[in-house]
Amino acid sequence: GEDVEQSLFLSVREGDSSVINCTYTDSSSTYLYWYKQEPGAGLQLLTYIFSNMDMKQDQRLTVLLNKKDKHLSLRIADTQTGDSAIYFCAERPLGGKLIFGQGTELSVKP
Amino acid sequence: NAGVTQTPKFQVLKTGQSMTLQCAQDMNHEYMSWYRQDPGMGLRLIHYSVGAGITDQGEVPNGYNVSRSTTEDFPLRLLSAAPSQTSVYFCASSVAGGPNTGELFFGEGSRLTVL
Repeated sequence: GEDVEQSLFLSVREGDSSVINCTYTDSSSTYLYWYKQEPGAGLQLLTYIFSNMDMKQDQRLTVLLNKKDKHLSLRIADTQTGDSAIYFCAERPLGGKLIFGQGTELSVKP
Repeated sequence: NAGVTQTPKFQVLKTGQSMTLQCAQDMNHEYMSWYRQDPGMGLRLIHYSVGAGITDQGEVPNGYNVSRSTTEDFPLRLLSAAPSQTSVYFCASSVAGGPNTGELFFGEGSRLTVL
């Protein structure tokens, strides 16, 4: 069945790079998404990548997509304490609804 | 811009009570949905609507009802609350159709505790 898997926790030091990984199952997914949830708030779309792309860069964010392995990653360069949040990976299978992963809680230590 | 507004933000219920979580959006979005968020389980879709008068079930619809009489409003009703419905509920909306349907706009959430 359709499933999106993420590790639950990641801890990094301020200034380091963070890499959050995600695996998905539906090869028909045209777009893959990263959402950010700050404490006490709703989710907000951070970035997305079209399935025919391998990489997308947006300032400190780099998204890598390995379609063969159905693996998606989000790299945050120069991680700041303000990046502490829960990050959700999501896929949208063709004709279906968004499927979210469990979320990865990123903790940034000064 | 208000975006997606949810009320109440916090609610405590006793088992068996009923209540309605309100959701309103001012972006003229056709698509609206309700999710619940539980630790370690991500977001699970409860119900969704692709336009006024049209609703459908998501992944975990049991114990919940919805209606969509206007484009702006999409209330979620708990018929007879159970402790298993203790969760954080999010309403989300988006334009319907096309590549932008993955961009959901979320409310701030309603934290419900059922005793």
